[in-house]
Amino acid sequence: QVQLQESGPGLVKPSQTLSLTCTVSGGAINSGGYYWSWIRQHPGKGLQWIGYNYNSGSSYYNPSLKSRVIISVDTSNNQFSLRLRSVTAADTAIYYCARAGNIYGANAFDIWGQGTVVSVSS
Amino acid sequence: QSVLTQAPSASGTPGQRVTISCSGSTSNIGSNTVEWYQQLPGTAPKLLIYSNNQRPSGVPDRFSGSRSGTSASLAISGLQSEDEADYYCESWDDSLMSVVFGGGTKLTVL
Repeated sequence: QVQLQESGPGLVKPSQTLSLTCTVSGGAINSGGYYWSWIRQHPGKGLQWIGYNYNSGSSYYNPSLKSRVIISVDTSNNQFSLRLRSVTAADTAIYYCARAGNIYGANAFDIWGQGTVVSVSS
Repeated sequence: QSVLTQAPSASGTPGQRVTISCSGSTSNIGSNTVEWYQQLPGTAPKLLIYSNNQRPSGVPDRFSGSRSGTSASLAISGLQSEDEADYYCESWDDSLMSVVFGGGTKLTVL
């Protein structure tokens, strides 16, 4: 079955760019009909959708983060990535990659990575 | 503050039926499907209900979802100790053009 695994630095300095990668195993990322997503959770808080890339094509973002975010898909390596620029302490969170679409619907995130903690600090 | 509103906490005793509510508006729950997630301590969320009332394979039928107007509910019957977790509702918001989550409800099994 499909599994997702996040990777990337656990510590980012303020004003720099946060870059994370999600590796997809057990299935092809370009198999069609999926929304490859990033979701974050601030410490002790609820979930916040960052955005997703649909079908290895168009990307859609949370309006509150849109000016700083890029989500892209690398089909050759079966990965998708998150780039969040100009980070501040408010971007400190657990970052999850997740999959939605196809069987369960565009906004039903049926597979999640285990999450990776990213701290923003000098 | 979250676009979807959930009570911060709920509780019940083993075997009891509990209901967790999620309140939204015409731009989200009122016109789009609702999903529910269970997040056990220290783990990633798990899809519990999709399309308002459908269960993915492997989710026990003790969990059920419903939607009425601009509100949705998650019901858990035959409450078990392992149901102690945070529960989140989620939908798409047509005005914000964004996926939106509720703030989460922490369920305690007494």
